[in-house]
Amino acid sequence: GAVVSQHPSRVICKSGTSVKIECRSLDFQATTMFWYRQFPKQSLMLMATSNEGSKATYEQGVEKDKFLINHASLTLSTLTVTSAHPEDSSFYICSATPRDGSGDEQYFGPGTRLTVT
Amino acid sequence: TQLLEQSPQFLSIQEGENLTVYCNSSSVFSSLQWYRQEPGEGPVLLVTVVTGGEVKKLKRLTFQFGDARKDSSLHITAAQPGDTGLYLCAGPGGTSYGKLTFGQGTILTVHP
Repeated sequence: GAVVSQHPSRVICKSGTSVKIECRSLDFQATTMFWYRQFPKQSLMLMATSNEGSKATYEQGVEKDKFLINHASLTLSTLTVTSAHPEDSSFYICSATPRDGSGDEQYFGPGTRLTVT
Repeated sequence: TQLLEQSPQFLSIQEGENLTVYCNSSSVFSSLQWYRQEPGEGPVLLVTVVTGGEVKKLKRLTFQFGDARKDSSLHITAAQPGDTGLYLCAGPGGTSYGKLTFGQGTILTVHP
């Protein structure tokens, strides 16, 4: 149980284009999903908190117009990197907190490797 | 903001050795989690500790939560190359439901 998927797992795009990453909780409902960015050999950096049916809450320094988040249902959240540039290349990971859980645990997706050329 | 200080940041050992990773804070946490992440994959939850002084074992891994619930440790006995990865401690942080604060991570490399 508690499986989270991400699609795509890898994506290469040209500078100036937009890329959408999907995050799905496969066997549970998630009121809240989180989006992280991770640089090589570093810990996770929280970008935003996504709540179903409401606007995402972005961490300080994260451009909300560049990283668009939509949480359309209790099992799906999407992150769109708009007008991507090479510096946006990174490993993006989502996680979800089960609606019926204690609220202390997150289950992570396998990540999406974005490369902007 | 509750911070978690993880140490060491890097650990390179030979197969069969023992090791301990520490996760410390000046704040009290209601619980702490330990995750393991392999390159190119998402973190996988290893354990959640909730009670002060609690000790949990997962095969060769032993997790301890400090009596004051401000610190935790991960001890690996007889490390194997398959233990190689990034180990992360995390605890509840912030007002959002489920939001976690992460330590800086420990990169463990076990050489055969």
